[in-house]
Amino acid sequence: DAGVIQSPRHEVTEMGQEVTLRCKPISGHNSLFWYRQTMMRGLELLIYFNNNVPIDDSGMPEDRFSAKMPNASFSTLKIQPSEPRDSAVYFCASSLRQGGTQYFGPGTRLLVL
Amino acid sequence: RKEVEQDPGPFNVPEGATVAFNCTYSNSASQSFFWYRQDCRKEPKLLMSVYSSGNEDGRFTAQLNRASQYISLLIRDSKLSDSATYLCVVNENNNDMRFGAGTRLTVKP
Repeated sequence: DAGVIQSPRHEVTEMGQEVTLRCKPISGHNSLFWYRQTMMRGLELLIYFNNNVPIDDSGMPEDRFSAKMPNASFSTLKIQPSEPRDSAVYFCASSLRQGGTQYFGPGTRLLVL
Repeated sequence: RKEVEQDPGPFNVPEGATVAFNCTYSNSASQSFFWYRQDCRKEPKLLMSVYSSGNEDGRFTAQLNRASQYISLLIRDSKLSDSATYLCVVNENNNDMRFGAGTRLTVKP
């Protein structure tokens, strides 16, 4: 069975550029999560969706970050403009139901120069 | 105070040793609890859920103490393959999952 799929797996970009990260959750899962992981701050929840609707975006660091989920099988996290401090591993996760076990994708390693 | 606190380690133990990790959480209304494992440069994966009565899965035992607001993970007869970072996770309100910073374990031959 396919797990959570994320693309790209690695992204290197220059400061000021737009970055778009993509996620395909496990089929049938109703909740989708975006996390960011750094050595300094650990794993942080950025935003989550339930049935394609954003429920809590209080973890989104600032207006440069936006996330969408146009349908049950696709979500994007966009950073515009990107800054060096955005360098991190971005994970997408999905769960069958609210409060259920979360399954993580392999992550996107982002480096902003 | 952080919502979920863990001893970052690292814990360096020989093969066959027993090792225990503790985790404390601040929100007394937290509803469910988990231990995740994360290997180097990989994604976190669920190791086990933690139930009030305590639960065991092979060499792994998880316990929850709601009164003291802490969770523990015990690994018996540790293997080289147990080397990883162990993340304590607390579900505060349905999907509001809070991750600890993780405890790094290295099992040496």
